[in-house]
Amino acid sequence: QVQLQESGPGLVKPSETLSLTCTVSGDSIRSNYWGWIRQPPGKGLEWIGYIYHSGSTNYNPSLKSRVTISVDTSKNEFSLNLTSVTAADTAVHYCARRDSWDYYFDYWGQGTLVTVSS
Amino acid sequence: QSALTQPASVSGSPGQSITISCTGTSSDVGGYNYVSWYQQHPGKAPKLMIYDVSNRPSGVSNRFSGSKSGNTASLTISGLQAGDEADYYCSSYTSSSTLVVFGGGTKLTVL
Repeated sequence: QVQLQESGPGLVKPSETLSLTCTVSGDSIRSNYWGWIRQPPGKGLEWIGYIYHSGSTNYNPSLKSRVTISVDTSKNEFSLNLTSVTAADTAVHYCARRDSWDYYFDYWGQGTLVTVSS
Repeated sequence: QSALTQPASVSGSPGQSITISCTGTSSDVGGYNYVSWYQQHPGKAPKLMIYDVSNRPSGVSNRFSGSKSGNTASLTISGLQAGDEADYYCSSYTSSSTLVVFGGGTKLTVL
């Protein structure tokens, strides 16, 4: 059974960097793509980006200047860094597995709320 | 404003069928068969219900079906049950630099 678990601070100050890690179990990070999706409170889903184990990445253009997704194959985990955050970045952040040959996300983490506030 | 357009809400009575639409453009929904649908209960992570327009993952009830016509994809739920009450999101690959787009979500109420 594939499982994903997000971890990281739940509170980040404005202008600082949001950092989250997703630990994968039940599957190798060397297969498929691995992505991040966020959901502001009471709003819809927004794709942030995804990474392949080779390190190849794709980011949402609206966030591209502030986002970095990286992978650590030795730990079977991948990470999200979002710089210069504002209150608009407050959201539940989900990590998810994306099929290698398709564009759907079939396994999701439970999500973690990150609040941007001083 | 979301790239894909969904109705904000739909409702139906137990046992009935409902359809949720998802309208895009020829650059996403209309141009590719990479439409997927997700169910999200309050406080929970989204769950994949349909992929590639009309395919169901293992374990998803056959009461859920998907289709597409032109730039509009649809999710149909037959034999509505109380547990189907949730938010539903469509998603599609897009040839624009965005790559992946979601709809704004539809709240399904089972009366």
